[in-house]
Amino acid sequence: NAGVTQTPKFRVLKTGQSMTLLCAQDMNHEYMYWYRQDPGMGLRLIHYSVGEGTTAKGEVPDGYNVSRLKKQNFLLGLESAAPSQTSVYFCASTLIDSGANVLTFGAGSRLTVL
Amino acid sequence: GQNIDQPTEMTATEGAIVQINCTYQTSGFNGLFWYQQHAGEAPTFLSYNVLDGLEEKGRFSSFLSRSKGYSYLLLKELQMKDSASYLCAVKDSNYQLIWGAGTKLIIKP
Repeated sequence: NAGVTQTPKFRVLKTGQSMTLLCAQDMNHEYMYWYRQDPGMGLRLIHYSVGEGTTAKGEVPDGYNVSRLKKQNFLLGLESAAPSQTSVYFCASTLIDSGANVLTFGAGSRLTVL
Repeated sequence: GQNIDQPTEMTATEGAIVQINCTYQTSGFNGLFWYQQHAGEAPTFLSYNVLDGLEEKGRFSSFLSRSKGYSYLLLKELQMKDSASYLCAVKDSNYQLIWGAGTKLIIKP
């Protein structure tokens, strides 16, 4: 099993460019999440999805859009990249969102916006 | 607001014991998690506490006191491979995870 796969792993963008990060999971998980991780800060939730065709905003959604057209895929889009979006992005998934559920994370995507 | 506090960095010696503390102030409580994250890699699950007390799993143990808003992760018989960041996260009343900034643990021979 691949688990959670993120592509690309690295990307450099210029301000104003757009791009999409892809997250794919093969565990039949219902819940999927996009986080960003910045130095000195905890993981911050950008958007999440509780099932195919549904998405919801997290703590820091501005400047990002998401789609969950297929259960196994969760896409994160940046329409007009800004230097403040330079970060490491992690996708995570879990079967259900009960108290004890454990998140499975992808390896991360490092994005630099110049 | 909601807050998770952990020390930024700790140093310990191979073979020794280290305790990483986590204090939290959240809107409700539905469990506390510890994750390990090696540099440049994804976080991986270590432990989960929802009731007060100690949970032991091999060399790693995690303790929770809900009344004090406090947890610690205890690592015994430290190995070089334990050099990593340790992330504390609390699930609040809305089942949203609130993450601490992580504690970078450096193991010296």
